[in-house]
Amino acid sequence: GEDVEQSLFLSVREGDSSVINCTYTDSSSTYLYWYKQEPGAGLQLLTYIFSNMDMKQDQRLTVLLNKKDKHLSLRIADTQTGDSAIYFCAGDNQAGTALIFGKGTTLSVSS
Amino acid sequence: ETGVTQSPTHLIKTRGQQVTLRCSSQSGHNTVSWYQQALGQGPQFIFQYYREEENGRGNFPPRFSGLQFPNYSSELNVNALELDDSALYLCASSLAAMGPSGNEQFFGPGTRLTVL
Repeated sequence: GEDVEQSLFLSVREGDSSVINCTYTDSSSTYLYWYKQEPGAGLQLLTYIFSNMDMKQDQRLTVLLNKKDKHLSLRIADTQTGDSAIYFCAGDNQAGTALIFGKGTTLSVSS
Repeated sequence: ETGVTQSPTHLIKTRGQQVTLRCSSQSGHNTVSWYQQALGQGPQFIFQYYREEENGRGNFPPRFSGLQFPNYSSELNVNALELDDSALYLCASSLAAMGPSGNEQFFGPGTRLTVL
């Protein structure tokens, strides 16, 4: 089955760019997603990318997808303290019924 | 437009008991999925319901069961609770019709279950 790996922690200074990386094993996902989870809250969809694209930009967020290496990244420009949270990458399963999540990357932003 | 709501927010049960968690889908959504998120882990897919029928299931035992009602609200039932069932249970609703936004799932805030 699908396995999704992420680095566990990232620490940046306010105003810097953050890059969160993700690798996945199953290339059959149609869409790949980035979700944000703040303490005590559910998951908020940040952005997604269709599997035949290699880049998507959405305001401060840039998603890069390298299908050959099965690597997905999320770049947050001008990172703010309010961006501190856990970020999950996810792909949909072959049936399109479920999301397969990584373990999450905790982003800590210091001022 | 109301978002996805879940109840209760927290609850504590003892091993062997049964629990029912509830979810109200976002208005207009006909598909609901349930996920279990253990501490420090990513969410794991339990199952999905579409128009009151189970439409996919993850690697969870039969003591995890669900229902979806005609108004598209949903329940997750867990029998014979085990200590490892302690987790945040997330409900997500979506439209079955994929469209250009894909299988976009909108998550509720979750129910924190503690099994003692």
